Amino acid sequence: KNQVEQSPQSLIILEGKNCTLQCNYTVSPFSNLRWYKQDTGRGPVSLTIMTFSENTKSNGRYTATLDADTKQSSLHITASQLSDSASYICVVTRMDSNYQLIWGAGTKLIIKP
Amino acid sequence: DADVTQTPRNRITKTGKRIMLECSQTKGHDRMYWYRQDPGLGLRLIYYSFDVKDINKGEISDGYSVSRQAQAKFSLSLESAIPNQTALYFCATSDLRLAAGGELFFGEGSRLTVL
Repeated sequence: KNQVEQSPQSLIILEGKNCTLQCNYTVSPFSNLRWYKQDTGRGPVSLTIMTFSENTKSNGRYTATLDADTKQSSLHITASQLSDSASYICVVTRMDSNYQLIWGAGTKLIIKP
Repeated sequence: DADVTQTPRNRITKTGKRIMLECSQTKGHDRMYWYRQDPGLGLRLIYYSFDVKDINKGEISDGYSVSRQAQAKFSLSLESAIPNQTALYFCATSDLRLAAGGELFFGEGSRLTVL
């Protein structure tokens, strides 16, 4: 069964600290893995897209890693800011589909001052 | 102005009513999608369209219909709304095939409550 599981479900950290969010997937055949940031009540915004051959990709203070062998990804946030408070969603695209994305339920991150 | 605009942003309606959610985009993309988001669940695809004359069902199309009036406009209708259709609805566009790395661009969402 195609699934994307994220952990933790929620996380609270202090401003300025680093954190790492996890994503495990069982999607096959794999095409790419995406991380989105979703502010409360807003649409998701893309952070990174990684293909099978990429194992690290950065977007400012966000760094995503991908281990295609173990089917795991992580999103590391450096020097967190209050504006990083949001849900972070891991999404895997199937190679054999023009449209099908398998969405994780997201990790809700709260940054406290 | 937003590249992907959804109207209305919020709507409260009663069971049995017909509801239309509208989406327009200025990105010039051919591919458009309607998703539904429920608390604690991943986004689920309702319908998608790759061209004006192309309409395809997604994972959860029952109870919904769509219309692609133009390249820039994609509307979602609930013919007879029911309470379990209470959710946050998102319209999205993409320039390329998602499996080829096409990015998804989302609207701000339409929050629908069915009483």
